[in-house]
Amino acid sequence: DQQVKQNSPSLSVQEGRISILNCDYTNSMFDYFLWYKKYPAEGPTFLISISSIKDKNEDGRFTVFLNKSAKHLSLHIVPSQPGDSAVYFCAASPWNSGNTPLVFGKGTRLSVIA
Amino acid sequence: SAVISQKPSRDICQRGTSLTIQCQVDSQVTMMFWYRQQPGQSLTLIATANQGSEATYESGFVIDKFPISRPNLTFSTLTVSNMSPEDSSIYLCSVGTGFGEAFFGQGTRLTVV
Repeated sequence: DQQVKQNSPSLSVQEGRISILNCDYTNSMFDYFLWYKKYPAEGPTFLISISSIKDKNEDGRFTVFLNKSAKHLSLHIVPSQPGDSAVYFCAASPWNSGNTPLVFGKGTRLSVIA
Repeated sequence: SAVISQKPSRDICQRGTSLTIQCQVDSQVTMMFWYRQQPGQSLTLIATANQGSEATYESGFVIDKFPISRPNLTFSTLTVSNMSPEDSSIYLCSVGTGFGEAFFGQGTRLTVV
């Protein structure tokens, strides 16, 4: 029973356009949400996070939106660049402690086409 | 941030053998986590390793199959025992920062033949 769901296994976007990656969760106890990026043969790298007290967090080209009532979050990348091509994982945690393991979705493979 | 060195980065092993994966962190951390990523699947938590105590295993994972050591605050090992082809996965160690985000080693890609 997946608590964090990424329903799109893959996404292709033209360079310069917006990439929107979606994530849904089922556990109401989740309070902290993160996005990770993973290149082949590397471990996931932290990208951006959001606490449930916010509905938006922005860091450069990356913005995460959280809709708690819908249990949905999304990652927007604007403008998309070829170097953004990777697998993106959505993750969640009951609280922002750093000592609580994360629950991950299955990932979305983003391909940015030049 | 934390820098995590994980090795080996990949290995091909015969069924029935065991492989020990090492994870070294450049700073002292309380908790270390071991995950497995099977092909096309999410990262699944195997166990949480706290220094000085037995690791806590998630449902579906047992100590006899995945023994873990945590001898100090910067190091941990995960052993995959009596391997079968179903154990072919990427294994990842992870540490928390105290601020929510976790950092990962580069992973160990294991193929069992």
